[in-house]
Amino acid sequence: AQSVTQLGSHVSVSEGALVLLRCNYSSSVPPYLFWYVQYPNQGLQLLLKYTSAATLVKGINGFEAEFKKSETSFHLTKPSAHMSDAAEYFCAVSEGTGTASKLTFGTGTRLQVTL
Amino acid sequence: DAGITQSPRHKVTETGTPVTLRCHQTENHRYMYWYRQDPGHGLRLIHYSYGVKDTDKGEVSDGYSVSRSKTEDFLLTLESATSSQTSVYFCAISVLGSPLHFGNGTRLTVT
Repeated sequence: AQSVTQLGSHVSVSEGALVLLRCNYSSSVPPYLFWYVQYPNQGLQLLLKYTSAATLVKGINGFEAEFKKSETSFHLTKPSAHMSDAAEYFCAVSEGTGTASKLTFGTGTRLQVTL
Repeated sequence: DAGITQSPRHKVTETGTPVTLRCHQTENHRYMYWYRQDPGHGLRLIHYSYGVKDTDKGEVSDGYSVSRSKTEDFLLTLESATSSQTSVYFCAISVLGSPLHFGNGTRLTVT
């Protein structure tokens, strides 16, 4: 069975500081991994995805994530936080092709950005 | 926007009443999903569909049923709502070659 663990339910950073949101996965097959962002009262929006191509994945809004098989991790980073990055972030894993497969989500990390 | 409309957006209902949530898509995609979102649990899959009249259970399907009589509509029914079903419900579709796209959610409160 697949699972995702997000370390830290709340993360606070200063504007301009590095953002690091942690995600570790468990999967019995090569995983497909995703990061989604959710702004208040909205649905989830895809930030980026890993589907066994390049291990460093670049997404929207300046975010990127690196797949590290040896550490079973897929941490999300952004070099310089902006106030507009304040949202909740979800890591997810799929055990299939990523299209017709079900996603298993982590419990989410709420990012707060302060002045 | 992947053309997903959820209705209603908000609903308050009483314990024991039936409730149906609707997900409508405009792009003729085969795969559709219902998730619920709760604090501390992230999103959990309730049911999913891989075509008209083809549905299957997710990890938290107890107390829920679904129907898909047309490609564009996927209905989620709570036969007899309970307070534990107070949640935000999201519909999602699978777009070929891409991961899930989500609707804007339905906030359900069971009193």
